[in-house]
Amino acid sequence: ETGVTQTPRHLVMGMTNKKSLKCEQHLGHNAMYWYKQSAKKPLELMFVYNFKEQTENNSVPSRFSPECPNSSHLFLHLHTLQPEDSALYLCASSQDKQGHQNQPQHFGDGTRLSIL
Amino acid sequence: GQNIDQPTEMTATEGAIVQINCTYQTSGFNGLFWYQQHAGEAPTFLSYNVLDGLEEKGRFSSFLSRSKGYSYLLLKELQMKDSASYLCAVMDSNYQLIWGAGTKLIIKP
Repeated sequence: ETGVTQTPRHLVMGMTNKKSLKCEQHLGHNAMYWYKQSAKKPLELMFVYNFKEQTENNSVPSRFSPECPNSSHLFLHLHTLQPEDSALYLCASSQDKQGHQNQPQHFGDGTRLSIL
Repeated sequence: GQNIDQPTEMTATEGAIVQINCTYQTSGFNGLFWYQQHAGEAPTFLSYNVLDGLEEKGRFSSFLSRSKGYSYLLLKELQMKDSASYLCAVMDSNYQLIWGAGTKLIIKP
């Protein structure tokens, strides 16, 4: 139990579907992150929220849309995805984005996404 | 550009010692992290180094040389449950984590 919960654990969707990934953290952290993890590739940072404000968007296609209603919840809305978007999507949280260098990020178990 | 290099895969024997190396080139340095990730599970934090030298935590130790852009994770008295991927990540000058692709460690009896 890492304190970060992601749902669903697995998702299969067609390219024309719309779905959302959910992340919730119970650690009292102020920063939350979405990562994409593909086989044999480094973790790719997608979005960062610090105190509910988006601070990073690493050139992510607009078919991925994040939402952070409060410091404990983070969503990733998906629409019109492509087969190359199939991957493990990981959510993480940390005390805050900077200033606490030795505060590690805590990860959820991820959502395994498959695009048909 | 920023780059983290670590071996793709390593094999070791139960009870033995293994060293997983990580070299990095980043824009600034605000610490280096090691994570363990079992298949289908979340990455979990193992260690953090920001000053040169060795940090020991039970069977696991992590070493850092900032002048060489080099770190290693040392695992002693290997157990079958240590079979996992080990991820090296460096925090750059913008406090963003730059990740390596991970080293898959296979432990054989």
